[in-house]
Amino acid sequence: DIQMTQSPSSLSASVGDRVTISCRASQTPTTNLHWFQQKPGKAPKLLIYGVSTLQSGVPSRFRGSGSGTDFTLTISSLQPEDFATYFCQQTYTTPYTFGQGTKLEI
Amino acid sequence: QVQLQESGPGLVKPSKTVSLTCSISGVSISSLYWWSWVRQTPGKGLEWIGEVWHTGSTNYNPSLKSRVTLSVDKAKNQFSLNLTSVTAADTAVYYCATVNAASGYISADWGQGALVTVSS
Repeated sequence: DIQMTQSPSSLSASVGDRVTISCRASQTPTTNLHWFQQKPGKAPKLLIYGVSTLQSGVPSRFRGSGSGTDFTLTISSLQPEDFATYFCQQTYTTPYTFGQGTKLEI
Repeated sequence: QVQLQESGPGLVKPSKTVSLTCSISGVSISSLYWWSWVRQTPGKGLEWIGEVWHTGSTNYNPSLKSRVTLSVDKAKNQFSLNLTSVTAADTAVYYCATVNAASGYISADWGQGALVTVSS
């Protein structure tokens, strides 16, 4: 299995801040690396797929980057609705695997 | 627009089988998606259980393979999960989701989730 490790596990920030969340894979998922946002009691929501492609309707302040085994989600200017938990996922090989999550708190 | 809705028992006794169904609307189950199940627990986070194609072809997580069966019902436009010999460790929120093979196997559509509690 490809192990996905996110850092940090939690992060405190303020509205307007720029934040970066990292995701490291135990082996390369090539470009099959995706990011999800999850709010309490809700299903995960796809934000970015294929490392850097924004899902339809996702604000441009979200940006994905990286290659090989190291990937990053950047939120350029935090808005109140961005406080949530973020997960990376690889779908290069089954079993598809997720990072443990990064909780973004005010 | 694809919409998914999980259904099933909220409470299951240990050693029994839990059966969940995902009802699909907005698209045919025979369209070009794999149909998947993902579960979430506070301890293990998000865990991919497996996926099924409309032909019945399946891929399973090896960690659960011996206890999981996924199937499709084309007439009802539904797919299902059976998990046998459940224990407290199987207590989780179970989500059904699409997997779009044409777009890097992304899951853009999810159900709202169904909480399954294993307890006597």
